[in-house]
Amino acid sequence: ETGVTQSPTHLIKTRGQQVTLRCSSQSGHNTVSWYQQALGQGPQFIFQYYREEENGRGNFPPRFSGLQFPNYSSELNVNALELDDSALYLCASSLVGVAGELFFGEGSRLTVL
Amino acid sequence: SQQGEEDPQALSIQEGENATMNCSYKTSINNLQWYRQNSGRGLVHLILIRSNEREKHSGRLRVTLDTSKKSSSLLITASRAADTASYFCATDADAGNMLTFGGGTRLMVKP
Repeated sequence: ETGVTQSPTHLIKTRGQQVTLRCSSQSGHNTVSWYQQALGQGPQFIFQYYREEENGRGNFPPRFSGLQFPNYSSELNVNALELDDSALYLCASSLVGVAGELFFGEGSRLTVL
Repeated sequence: SQQGEEDPQALSIQEGENATMNCSYKTSINNLQWYRQNSGRGLVHLILIRSNEREKHSGRLRVTLDTSKKSSSLLITASRAADTASYFCATDADAGNMLTFGGGTRLMVKP
């Protein structure tokens, strides 16, 4: 158990819909990152939030957006869902300025039909 | 896109044997990390090696890093059935914890 919790664990959406995924960080961690993992592939970095602001972003379009709240919990929002958005979405928490171990949640598996 | 390539993509061994996985990457790094993932679940951090280190040990794990060749290897000694999982290397370019993962090696350890 890492102390990082994600919800929902599974969900199904249809193309064009919007989805919100939630993450509660490990206690004391002030940075949250989101990753997308397609089936059979490694995770890809979406973005990172620190002090409620995005401070790094991977190669993902603007329809992927996020929020970080004062209690360090976070949301990932995806608009105008596409079939290729079907994946496991992983949240990871860490401490800013401390390079190293990321604590991952169990993920939210999104299926887009 | 993913920075690293991992080799082999899949590995099947008997319990008690050693397992070696390799990772190559393309750009300069601050550190390289290895993670383990059981069957589509969350990733678990195994070990981190910094760019100025060449080898690191943790229990049955040994990691090497060759920055001149932009490659790393993970050795699991005396493997157990419980080691069955996917293993990923991940690079961190600037210690900002924004990781670039490889495609992973699927390890199966047969009892």
